[in-house]
Amino acid sequence: AQTVTQSQPEMSVQEAETVTLSCTYDTSENNYYLFWYKQPPSRQMILVIRQEAYKQQNATENRFSVNFQKAAKSFSLKISDSQLGDTAMYFCAFMTGKAAGNKLTFGGGTRVLVKP
Amino acid sequence: DSGVTQTPKHLITATGQRVTLRCSPRSGDLSVYWYQQSLDQGLQFLIQYYNGEERAKGNILERFSAQQFPDLHSELNLSSLELGDSALYFCASSAGTVAGELFFGEGSRLTVL
Repeated sequence: AQTVTQSQPEMSVQEAETVTLSCTYDTSENNYYLFWYKQPPSRQMILVIRQEAYKQQNATENRFSVNFQKAAKSFSLKISDSQLGDTAMYFCAFMTGKAAGNKLTFGGGTRVLVKP
Repeated sequence: DSGVTQTPKHLITATGQRVTLRCSPRSGDLSVYWYQQSLDQGLQFLIQYYNGEERAKGNILERFSAQQFPDLHSELNLSSLELGDSALYFCASSAGTVAGELFFGEGSRLTVL
């Protein structure tokens, strides 16, 4: 079974600065997908960014980028130029590359507080 | 708006009771997932349906059951409710293809008193 670990329960950052969230995972599979979801106070789950394990290039979405280290099974999220609206819980998630049972397995989350 | 609709948004009930949560997936999505999020916790996978058939099962209690109907909407039934069942229950849908993005509803907040 896959496990996802987020070791930072909470982080704070000043507006316009950069924050990096850590995520490690455990799997014996070679083909899989990794995601970061954001959950603002509204509780809606919003996809931030995704990474295919077979791609060496790190994914980027505007101010959000990842550092994917496959050998180390590490998948960190960097938020650049932090904005007040980035305040939220962030969840790292894993999805198997197998067609059957392609559910998301989530980490415990990291609460990010952006301070003005 | 993700296109996934969950009802009710909030529900307060007593221990021992039974409730049904409903989910309508995005148009065209064949796969429905149910997740439970207890206070300030991560999301725990409960169960997945694909085109009416159960595809994967997680840590779903025997007191809980789910089904997906021919019109693809899904219901999660929670019975003999306990205080610890209080949580946010999310439904998500996807096309069901490998690595297809999951789209989440706004969740149903269940409070058991």
